Amino acid sequence: AQKVTQAQTEISVVEKEDVTLDCVYETRDTTYYLFWYKQPPSGELVFLIRRNSFDEQNEISGRYSWNFQKSTSSFNFTITASQVVDSAVYFCAEEETSGSRLTFGEGTQLTVNP
Amino acid sequence: GAVVSQHPSWVICKSGTSVKIECRSLDFQATTMFWYRQFPKQSLMLMATSNEGSKATYEQGVEKDKFLINHASLTLSTLTVTSAHPEDSSFYICSAKLAGWSNQPQHFGDGTRLSIL
Repeated sequence: AQKVTQAQTEISVVEKEDVTLDCVYETRDTTYYLFWYKQPPSGELVFLIRRNSFDEQNEISGRYSWNFQKSTSSFNFTITASQVVDSAVYFCAEEETSGSRLTFGEGTQLTVNP
Repeated sequence: GAVVSQHPSWVICKSGTSVKIECRSLDFQATTMFWYRQFPKQSLMLMATSNEGSKATYEQGVEKDKFLINHASLTLSTLTVTSAHPEDSSFYICSAKLAGWSNQPQHFGDGTRLSIL
């Protein structure tokens, strides 16, 4: 069965600090997708990234970067030079390509203080 | 990009009322739509998977007679919470997948906050 673990329930940083959100997943599938979503207080889910299990290249998008390590089943997310607007709950998720079930982690509440 | 519209965004009603939530894919056809529920400070939990023209598949522990799902067209799925009670108060969010493209990501609606008094 799928399982996604985000061990950090809450993280608080000061603006301009770098912060890494951890994500560890479990799956029996050989092919799967990994996601990160941002959920601001308004509630909508903002898609950040999708990664195919065959693509272990790290990715950078502006201040965001992702480190996918299949050997440790981790898909960590780093925000560089954090800003107050980054304050939100961040969810890591996994999708089986076979069944399209999306399993979310418990989420990490990130608070960036000015 | 693909847009999913969810309506209403917010509803308050009395206990015992039935509430219908609509999920529409505005610019694409969705063979499959998903319904999630999120309690405060918790994660999103899949309630059911809805396929156009067929019965929904409910997750374990979700009462299909209480949460009625209809997916009559490729652009609309509805979730009806029947005889809602305060414990049904939650954030309900739908998502949709592009028809015919199994490797496309789910596109999420903005969610519905349901408060039962």
